[in-house]
Amino acid sequence: LAKTTQPISMDSYEGQEVNITCSHNNIATNDYITWYQQFPSQGPRFIIQGYKTKVTNEVASLFIPADRKSSTLSLPRVSLSDTAVYYCLVGPRERDAGNMLTFGGGTRLMVKP
Amino acid sequence: GAGVSQSPSNKVTEKGKDVELRCDPISGHTALYWYRQSLGQGLEFLIYFQGNSAPDKSGLPSDRFSAERTGGSVSTLTIQRTQQEDSAVYLCASRNWAKDHGYTFGSGTRLTVV
Repeated sequence: LAKTTQPISMDSYEGQEVNITCSHNNIATNDYITWYQQFPSQGPRFIIQGYKTKVTNEVASLFIPADRKSSTLSLPRVSLSDTAVYYCLVGPRERDAGNMLTFGGGTRLMVKP
Repeated sequence: GAGVSQSPSNKVTEKGKDVELRCDPISGHTALYWYRQSLGQGLEFLIYFQGNSAPDKSGLPSDRFSAERTGGSVSTLTIQRTQQEDSAVYLCASRNWAKDHGYTFGSGTRLTVV
């Protein structure tokens, strides 16, 4: 299983763009990169998933370089409500290819007014 | 239901007692997972159910922990002879492998062993 490394914490201000980078040097060919957001007293919530290049949805963008050894979650114009822990996960998407996805410690994002 | 439902939301128990935690996954999701999250920590995988296959129990920390899933739907995580180190939030997640939306987590059960 690919191990991930993220910054423990980040601070930002409302309206700024936040980029959180995750390192996954041992990513396998069939691994996807998925990001989750977790608020206190709630379970993690899916944000975005990608395999290579760039993925964008209504919440965030995910940038993945050609070597796929890292990925960057980009949150545009953050607000106070984006204060949460963000987890980067790497693992196969196929059902029978292994399912013990490992959540690391995540990145605690604090958005200040 | 629309989401993953877990009960109880909070449980306080005395050391040595047994507890049962329940997870009701999203209807039609064949994959169900249990994770544990200690205060301020990441998620620790416990067990995984996929359809009628034998569950992956490789994450269970001791033989005091067990889980079952009846009828491919509701799952119960049982902790016998609870210890203080079992105190954590126990999260359940389900997944539809036919879609690309990853896991859907419940809000968890906060277990406190006193």
